[in-house]
Amino acid sequence: QQQVKQSPQSLIVQKGGISIINCAYENTAFDYFPWYQQFPGKGPALLIAIRPDVSEKKEGRFTISFNKSAKQFSLHIMDSQPGDSATYFCAASNSGGYQKVTFGTGTKLQVIP
Amino acid sequence: AGVTQTPRYLIKTRGQQVTLRCSPKSGHDTVSWYQQALGQGPQFIFQYYEEEERQRGNFPDRFSGHQFPNYSSELNVNALLLGDSALYLCASSQHLSGRERYFGPGTRLTVT
Repeated sequence: QQQVKQSPQSLIVQKGGISIINCAYENTAFDYFPWYQQFPGKGPALLIAIRPDVSEKKEGRFTISFNKSAKQFSLHIMDSQPGDSATYFCAASNSGGYQKVTFGTGTKLQVIP
Repeated sequence: AGVTQTPRYLIKTRGQQVTLRCSPKSGHDTVSWYQQALGQGPQFIFQYYEEEERQRGNFPDRFSGHQFPNYSSELNVNALLLGDSALYLCASSQHLSGRERYFGPGTRLTVT
């Protein structure tokens, strides 16, 4: 059962443009929503994360928007650069001592010059 | 030092057994294992803390693990199937105090 749905599967953006990746979740017990960036041959690296008590979090060119009522959240990459070309995963986990992370299916982003 | 995994690449034959190893990031005491099939997101296998399996995903008993007193961990897969071919990722974190998962580079397992 897929608990975190992610779209689009792939995305091509011009350099300097805005990349937007969307995710939706089903489990209302989730209370931590990280985004991971993965380059080929590497493990996922934490990019930015948000808790449901805020609607937006910004770190540099990366912004998470969160809509708790709709159970949706999105990643915006402003001024996208070729170095941002990677696969991005949204994820979710719940409180508790042993929190497993549930990942989306990933979005392959290509930023073209 | 970050999370390290060995070996980085492995080729096995169907029916064989395999052991993958993980050393967590310094200061971390909890290790989680994930399976990432090609083109998919990582799928949670299980998590170890204090040398015990604390949570488990939807994986058969052929998948087992172990955590050692120094917090390092092993993932064992018995009776390998072609479908077990994947990137196996280890992630470490601090129990209770840390939600951030630091992932290793993974072990690419190919079953022929």
